[in-house]
Parts: sequence; C-alpha cells; structure tokens
Amino acid sequence: AQSVSQHNHHVILSEAASLELGCNYSYGGTVNLFWYVQYPGQHLQLLLKYFSGDPLVKGIKGFEAEFIKSKFSFNLRKPSVQWSDTAEYFCAVNAKGRSSGSARQLTFGSGTQLTVLP
Amino acid sequence: DAGVIQSPRHEVTEMGQEVTLRCKPISGHNSLFWYRQTMMRGLELLIYFNNNVPIDDSGMPEDRFSAKMPNASFSTLKIQPSEPRDSAVYFCASSQRTSGAQSTDTQYFGPGTRLTVL
Repeated sequence: AQSVSQHNHHVILSEAASLELGCNYSYGGTVNLFWYVQYPGQHLQLLLKYFSGDPLVKGIKGFEAEFIKSKFSFNLRKPSVQWSDTAEYFCAVNAKGRSSGSARQLTFGSGTQLTVLP
Repeated sequence: DAGVIQSPRHEVTEMGQEVTLRCKPISGHNSLFWYRQTMMRGLELLIYFNNNVPIDDSGMPEDRFSAKMPNASFSTLKIQPSEPRDSAVYFCASSQRTSGAQSTDTQYFGPGTRLTVL
C-alpha cells in the first residue's frame, strides 16, 4: 500500500517569501502525483499533477512541483507567495498501471496549512 | 461542465436521525469516491465505486454508514442513526477510470456537505 508524508503541518510566511512544501511518498511501483489546495471553507481543487515526462510540473497560480524519483519526493514550490495563497495543501499519490478493474485510490497526506501574512 | 454536485451543502440534524447525502459525478466519469474530512482525522476515504459497483468500503466507519450508486449519475451516502461524532465535511469526488501505463485517474472534488449532528 502507498503512503504519503507531509512533514510541515503549518507554515507561516510573509508575502513575497518563497515557498516549498515537502511531500514524500512510499510505494514500490510507478505512481501519479498530485497537489490539491483547499481554500478556507471550500473544497479541494487540483493544483497540479505529474504523470510522466518532465519531472518539473507547472500548475495554476504560479505553483510548480518537482518529482525526484530517487528521493520519492514531490515538493511544491512557489517563488513569491501572496496573501490569497493562504490555504491547506494536500499531496496525494495513486498507483499507475495496475491491471485490476478497480479504480486506483488516491492516498492523501495529512495536509500543510499555509498562512501568508500581509 | 458543472463539476461534481453535492447536496445539501449544509445539514444540521439531531442525534439518532437518518441523514442522506447526495452526489452527482461529472458526466462521463465512471469512478466515484466518498471522503470525510475532520480536524482530528484529516481526509479519509470512506468508499469508492467503479462503474456503479462498490469496490472498497473498508473506510466506512461502521454499519451505520451505507452508500449506494444506483446509476452512473447519482450516489448517496446514508447515516442511520447519526451520532455527534459523525459531524464532518463529506466530500464526493469523481474520476474517469483509464487503463494502461499512462493512466491517471485524476479526481475532481465536489463542494462538500457540512454535517452537524447535535
């Protein structure tokens, strides 16, 4: 079974600071990787995803993430955060290419709460 | 596309009452997931369906919880009888199950139902 670790539970930054949120996964096979964002009182929205190819993935709102296979990591970055980036960020993984007829479950990390101070 | 639709958005009920949450997945998606989110436990997968068939309900807390998917465009999550500890936000998500090495199964979330059991 896969697992996802997000070691930063709460990150507080000032506007214009750079952001990096850690995500490590555990799984022996090939994976798809996702970052979701949840703004206060809202549902989860897909921020970006990695399936294959270029390990540096660009998402919406200036976010990007880099897949480093050797480190089992998929860290989220943004060069300059804004107050509106205050939200909870979830890393998730599912297994690629399983032959069973079942849907592949997403395994979520515990989330990182980002607070950006104006 | 209207996205995943959930109703009601808010539900307040008394302990012991039956609660039914509803979900309409994105048209054409063949996988549907029910999640529960609480401060204490984070995001938990309760059950998921593939082609209207329940695949894994191991996340369902206990027999008070049941889920159905009578057709490709509708699913319900029922709690009977409800208890205060069931208070949470319940999310529904859907994806298009694809096969092969390039499969992704990106999940899209609905707005959630905030359930309060008094």
